Amino acid sequence: ILNVEQSPQSLHVQEGDSTNFTCSFPSSNFYALHWYRWETAKSPEALFVMTLNGDEKKKGRISATLNTKEGYSYLYIKGSQPEDSATYLCAFINYGQNFVFGPGTRLSVLP
Amino acid sequence: DSGVTQTPKHLITATGQRVTLRCSPRSGDLSVYWYQQSLDQGLQFLIQYYNGEERAKGNILERFSAQQFPDLHSELNLSSLELGDSALYFCASSFSGTANYGYTFGSGTRLTVV
Repeated sequence: ILNVEQSPQSLHVQEGDSTNFTCSFPSSNFYALHWYRWETAKSPEALFVMTLNGDEKKKGRISATLNTKEGYSYLYIKGSQPEDSATYLCAFINYGQNFVFGPGTRLSVLP
Repeated sequence: DSGVTQTPKHLITATGQRVTLRCSPRSGDLSVYWYQQSLDQGLQFLIQYYNGEERAKGNILERFSAQQFPDLHSELNLSSLELGDSALYFCASSFSGTANYGYTFGSGTRLTVV
């Protein structure tokens, strides 16, 4: 059983704060890691696809890093805005193309 | 609109019945993935098809089956339905058969079994 964990489970921050959360995954047989943003009543939206150890990706105020040797990825949001409120999911994929989503981190940004 | 179309949006049916959920992938995408989200559970991967062929299988029950047709749309068939099958079923698509590209999700079909 592939175990993908995310922490914290939920997070409340003030508008303008920067924040980060963690995705932990098996360090062996790594193929790719995806990050998705899932707003309530909508469907998950792809943020990043990361495949190489040491990868850093950025999209506006959101960025992500990847460490495949130790099995973790960080997602950072700089200057959080209320519209960033969503659940952020990571998904681990191994070479067998087994695709496992983490439970998500629910972010609430208070104005 | 993500470009992935799922129908119907809502479905209410009785235990023991059989239903078919339909998914049309985004134009140009060859892979279709099915996921189940039950109450208080995360997204569970069910099955993947790539260009008409089954590519990967997750926690899909034997009562469930899927296929991808030549026009690349996919159907997920759920039979002998139980109360516990009530869930939100998502379809996603991607260009390739591997995970090098992010997946585009549809808006889901909410199945309620009564």
